[in-house]
Amino acid sequence: DTAVSQTPKYLVTQMGNDKSIKCEQNLGHDTMYWYKQDSKKFLKIMFSYNNKELIINETVPNRFSPKSPDKAHLNLHINSLELGDSAVYFCASSQGDIREGPHEQFFGPGTRLTVL
Amino acid sequence: SQKIEQNSEALNIQEGKTATLTCNYTNYSPAYLQWYRQDPGRGPVFLLLIRENEKEKRKERLKVTFDTTLKQSLFHITASQPADSATYLCALDSLSGAGSYQLTFGKGTKLSVIP
Repeated sequence: DTAVSQTPKYLVTQMGNDKSIKCEQNLGHDTMYWYKQDSKKFLKIMFSYNNKELIINETVPNRFSPKSPDKAHLNLHINSLELGDSAVYFCASSQGDIREGPHEQFFGPGTRLTVL
Repeated sequence: SQKIEQNSEALNIQEGKTATLTCNYTNYSPAYLQWYRQDPGRGPVFLLLIRENEKEKRKERLKVTFDTTLKQSLFHITASQPADSATYLCALDSLSGAGSYQLTFGKGTKLSVIP
């Protein structure tokens, strides 16, 4: 009965590889997000989707591509991985449309990505 | 430039005392402010949301204040317990240029409650 789940929890890969992280929420929320938490612990928004529509697309290299097959899923695909991509990636969700007001966000457990 | 600063990286207090964590910001005009708790190896957990026109919000042993003149929020935990030990994140909720509310997080304060 996990609210926001991510797979895998750990991902170790070589530079140049392509990898995906999956996220699912069973809360019935309309909005989903991807955040990156770097080694300095700053948590930064990368993308946000509302009902499969891209809402927020921060300055992120275009090697990162989110995909939302339905409103319960938001996957993150990363091409040509670089050392600097090593971080913890969090998926989150919230009820309602963030264009209409702020909402508390529910975070997944995180995916620790290590690029060697 | 825009900045969010949480008073200290680490704060140690004695069990039973009140912990006070500070969040200061510059060059933001947040309409709302949120506080989250993060335990090691886990995702942040929402605690409280306060609006710019609210001075204070309470939830059980937690209290948050929001002073838009001072550009500061204070987060208090009364009667602190060792189980309150965690990193607490302040997050400003501002309307982005794209017309959506967006959270910008501070670095967090690691609170340790000593028995």
